[in-house]
Amino acid sequence: KQEVTQIPAALSVPEGENLVLNCSFTDSAIYNLQWFRQDPGKGLTSLLLIQSSQREQTSGRLNASLDKSSGRSTLYIAASQPGDSATYLCAVRGGQNFVFGPGTRLSVLP
Amino acid sequence: DTGVSQDPRHKITKRGQNVTFRCDPISEHNRLYWYRQTLGQGPEFLTYFQNEAQLEKSRLLSDRFSAERPKGSFSTLEIQRTEQGDSAMYLCASSPKLGRGFYDEQFFGPGTRLTVL
Repeated sequence: KQEVTQIPAALSVPEGENLVLNCSFTDSAIYNLQWFRQDPGKGLTSLLLIQSSQREQTSGRLNASLDKSSGRSTLYIAASQPGDSATYLCAVRGGQNFVFGPGTRLSVLP
Repeated sequence: DTGVSQDPRHKITKRGQNVTFRCDPISEHNRLYWYRQTLGQGPEFLTYFQNEAQLEKSRLLSDRFSAERPKGSFSTLEIQRTEQGDSAMYLCASSPKLGRGFYDEQFFGPGTRLTVL
């Protein structure tokens, strides 16, 4: 059974810092991995999707990497802003549905 | 059609009542998913449709839960005889079917928050 963990559970940084969020999964037989952000009480917003054949994806200040063999993905956020404050979730697809991690709650202080 | 929509956004009900939620996916997406999310946790998969066919159901989906997607368009999730443990955010997502070797990106709706008193 696939299990997904995220470290740290919560993170507080001053504005402008570069930061890394971590996602680990136990079964490396995945089709893809997707990063989302979720604002309090809201649905999920897709940030980046990495197919199993890819090593990384970039969108603006975000860069996500995938190392299937070690069961890890990282989300790098450059020059963080207060608007980046949210919960960040990773989800892996192994089959027809996604398995989500519990998320990292990020606070960027002005 | 700019995204996945869900209705209602909030539902408060008494224990033992039946509730029904609706999800309208992005129009060209043929896959539709339902998830449940409790406070502080990531979403948990409930069920999945490809067009009108329900292809997979989680063990979380007890006999009190039923989902339909008539004509492969919108979907409904019904919970019968609600219990306080059913209180959660119910999320719907849709995705397109990509080509061989590539798998789809999921797009989520805003969710329906259910409170069972």
